[in-house]
Amino acid sequence: EADIYQTPRYLVIGTGKKITLECSQTMGHDKMYWYQQDPGMELHLIHYSYGVNSTEKGDLSSESTVSRIRTEHFPLTLESARPSHTSQYLCASSESGVGTNYGYTFGSGTRLTVV
Amino acid sequence: GENVEQHPSTLSVQEGDSAVIKCTYSDSASNYFPWYKQELGKGPQLIIDIRSNVGEKKDQRIAVTLNKTAKHFSLHITETQPEDSAVYFCAASMLGGSARQLTFGSGTQLTVLP
Repeated sequence: EADIYQTPRYLVIGTGKKITLECSQTMGHDKMYWYQQDPGMELHLIHYSYGVNSTEKGDLSSESTVSRIRTEHFPLTLESARPSHTSQYLCASSESGVGTNYGYTFGSGTRLTVV
Repeated sequence: GENVEQHPSTLSVQEGDSAVIKCTYSDSASNYFPWYKQELGKGPQLIIDIRSNVGEKKDQRIAVTLNKTAKHFSLHITETQPEDSAVYFCAASMLGGSARQLTFGSGTQLTVLP
């Protein structure tokens, strides 16, 4: 079944550690996105990608980086985690092109806690 | 760029009553308006969407209305049930634009009281 997967679901990590949040989709979608969701519910776009080798920064400034070497894979990396990075991170993907389904498919999220 | 405002931020209704969530958008070029439902511990899921060439769309107990002139759109849930309790997000975009398609509202926490 076509879907989008995020791992890990929960992560508790110490300050200064390097972490990578994984996101993979099996739908062949060109476009992928990372959102940070604060406790107040709002979704903040931090990175997005048009396709392979394309990455762009979103609205919310983030110290994280992303890569898009394969269509299905869009990992997010924090080189040095800080308590201010504690949040829920959501990955999403969507099709492109005329006549496609324009809605986003979201993963279940990774809840990151930096202590 | 697009700005989407969503109200109310929290909404409590009795089971069986109707719930209405409202959103306004700023960019008159926007032509696609989806709604997402986020249950606890899950990512948002698309529940209904509408394009600017129609004024209303229904799917069982949920409906969305769009007023292009006033630049606002609303989600209506009738005969609410406890399983409707969730966070709901509206969004707007211009189809055919850049990869950053959707601008989301700030969310509404809906609680259906038994």
